[in-house]
Amino acid sequence: NAGVTQTPKFRVLKTGQSMTLLCAQDMNHEYMYWYRQDPGMGLRLIHYSVGEGTTAKGEVPDGYNVSRLKKQNFLLGLESAAPSQTSVYFCATRIGLVETQYFGPGTRLLVL
Amino acid sequence: KNEVEQSPQNLTAQEGEFITINCSYSVGISALHWLQQHPGGGIVSLFMLSSGKKKHGRLIATINIQEKHSSLHITASHPRDSAVYICAVRYNYGGSQGNLIFGKGTKLSVKP
Repeated sequence: NAGVTQTPKFRVLKTGQSMTLLCAQDMNHEYMYWYRQDPGMGLRLIHYSVGEGTTAKGEVPDGYNVSRLKKQNFLLGLESAAPSQTSVYFCATRIGLVETQYFGPGTRLLVL
Repeated sequence: KNEVEQSPQNLTAQEGEFITINCSYSVGISALHWLQQHPGGGIVSLFMLSSGKKKHGRLIATINIQEKHSSLHITASHPRDSAVYICAVRYNYGGSQGNLIFGKGTKLSVKP
């Protein structure tokens, strides 16, 4: 039972390159979230999903796209990376009726 | 804008000391969360409160709905308590769409 996993753990990109971050969960949770964490700021919500096939924008969605084709996976895409997207990205999940969120280990992304 | 304010930003304590971390918010909420971020980066949920007080081991969380304030207390602090403690709230209404809004965190260092 792995809980919430994120792939990759660390990545370096050049400006303009694209990449996809994968969040996978084996807890059958309905809700999934992508956050970014930057120095001196609280976690900020990028996009979220309340179930398979659904996605919605969070507080800072610009420059990112997401997909949730399977219940257990939530993908975060950067089509054209910018240095402002250098951050640590966290995925989180929760069961619909329970508030507690379960976080993945994070992905550290550096955009040069 | 709905915000979550934490104090202090940084806290250094000697082993055994009683520690208090504060969180304040601006308008009515449906839930308040305390989370712990380990030095390695992992985030775990400690408590979810909507009223009153909760206790788990040496950790105690309280909330005062009228004053829009919550405190996290650590009794008999230990170096392994060194971490960043994060407060997050779910507002009843507004642009957050019912998602969590996070404080910037309080970095606690407990010296032996």
